Amino acid sequence: NAGVMQNPRHLVRRRGQEARLRCSPMKGHSHVYWYRQLPEEGLKFMVYLQKENIIDESGMPKERFSAEFPKEGPSILRIQQVVRGDSAAYFCASSSGTGRFLSTEAFFGQGTRLTVV
Amino acid sequence: KNEVEQSPQNLTAQEGEFITINCSYSVGISALHWLQQHPGGGIVSLFMLSSGKKKHGRLIATINIQEKHSSLHITASHPRDSAVYICAVAGGSNYKLTFGKGTLLTVNP
Repeated sequence: NAGVMQNPRHLVRRRGQEARLRCSPMKGHSHVYWYRQLPEEGLKFMVYLQKENIIDESGMPKERFSAEFPKEGPSILRIQQVVRGDSAAYFCASSSGTGRFLSTEAFFGQGTRLTVV
Repeated sequence: KNEVEQSPQNLTAQEGEFITINCSYSVGISALHWLQQHPGGGIVSLFMLSSGKKKHGRLIATINIQEKHSSLHITASHPRDSAVYICAVAGGSNYKLTFGKGTLLTVNP
């Protein structure tokens, strides 16, 4: 029973390239949440998605960032034209419902460490 | 000023010591969470609190809603407890948490 799977674990991109971060939720979970952890900063909420729907993207930067969670396949966090300030750890979490998130269920992935050079 | 403040930022202890990590917050909350993050690893939820006290093994978490303060205690600390401990509070939505910067705990044998 695999947990939340994120890949890649480490990603290096040059400035201006695109970064694609993948998150496969736990089996049976249809709610996915993305968080970003900047160096020396706490985690910050980015976006909450259900299958084929963005429910809350209030934490997403207005430009260059997008997220999707298609009917089939993993959730993707996409960062276009990366800049050095995008270097961070990006964590994904999943649940079977928002009411269960971190109350009866608490499943985070291992994170993707993005380094922009 | 961060809405969630943790202290200390760094803590070094000898194996067997009693550990306390503190968390203060400035906003109204529906729940407070304690999370554990191992170096280079993922995040594990330890506790969710809305009042009182919870215990799991050697870990104890308390919250004082009136004082907007929570503590995480580790009894008989062990080197495997070395990790970053993160306090996070939930206002309205369960998922839209406000996180502290974390406390790096190192337990030496």
